[in-house]
Amino acid sequence: SQKIEQNSEALNIQEGKTATLTCNYTNYSPAYLQWYRQDPGRGPVFLLLIRENEKEKRKERLKVTFDTTLKQSLFHITASQPADSATYLCALDTNAGKSTFGDGTTLTVKP
Amino acid sequence: DTGVSQNPRHKITKRGQNVTFRCDPISEHNRLYWYRQTLGQGPEFLTYFQNEAQLEKSRLLSDRFSAERPKGSFSTLEIQRTEQGDSAMYLCASSKGLAGSTDTQYFGPGTRLTVL
Repeated sequence: SQKIEQNSEALNIQEGKTATLTCNYTNYSPAYLQWYRQDPGRGPVFLLLIRENEKEKRKERLKVTFDTTLKQSLFHITASQPADSATYLCALDTNAGKSTFGDGTTLTVKP
Repeated sequence: DTGVSQNPRHKITKRGQNVTFRCDPISEHNRLYWYRQTLGQGPEFLTYFQNEAQLEKSRLLSDRFSAERPKGSFSTLEIQRTEQGDSAMYLCASSKGLAGSTDTQYFGPGTRLTVL
């Protein structure tokens, strides 16, 4: 069956370090993958999109990689700040209309 | 603010009552989605519209749930005979829905439903 797995544990890091979040999937052939940020009690906010034929995408302190052979995406936040503390969701899209989301990884950046 | 809006933000109801939520998408967006999210889980797809046509419904959407998008603008999600298991955050999202293109969804703030 189709499955999306994100880091199973919450991730705690020190301010200034790089946070790396993982999204693994099975039995999907996504056309593209998206990362969202979600704060408590709010809707997800779009961060980055990467297509199946792209290896890496960057936006300011954020970097996403996409390896369709490993069926994995990595999401990096460099020079992390306490304001980066949130839940980060990956979502797979197959051009069929809907997105399928992972359960998220909760990141806490300690000052 | 030209983002996706949802009303109400919170709804508390008793089991067996009917509830209706509204979503106003970004004005130039053709697609509108409904998701349900419970604590610790990612959003689960319920249904989506391309303009006024409902193109897909999840099997999570029992016959107590109905969604409409008259005239392809705002959408309503109605839950009849609510059950405690319906308690969740109901999220609406919209996108441009351009064929053959990536399609980023923009989410509203959600409606938190509590069924007592």
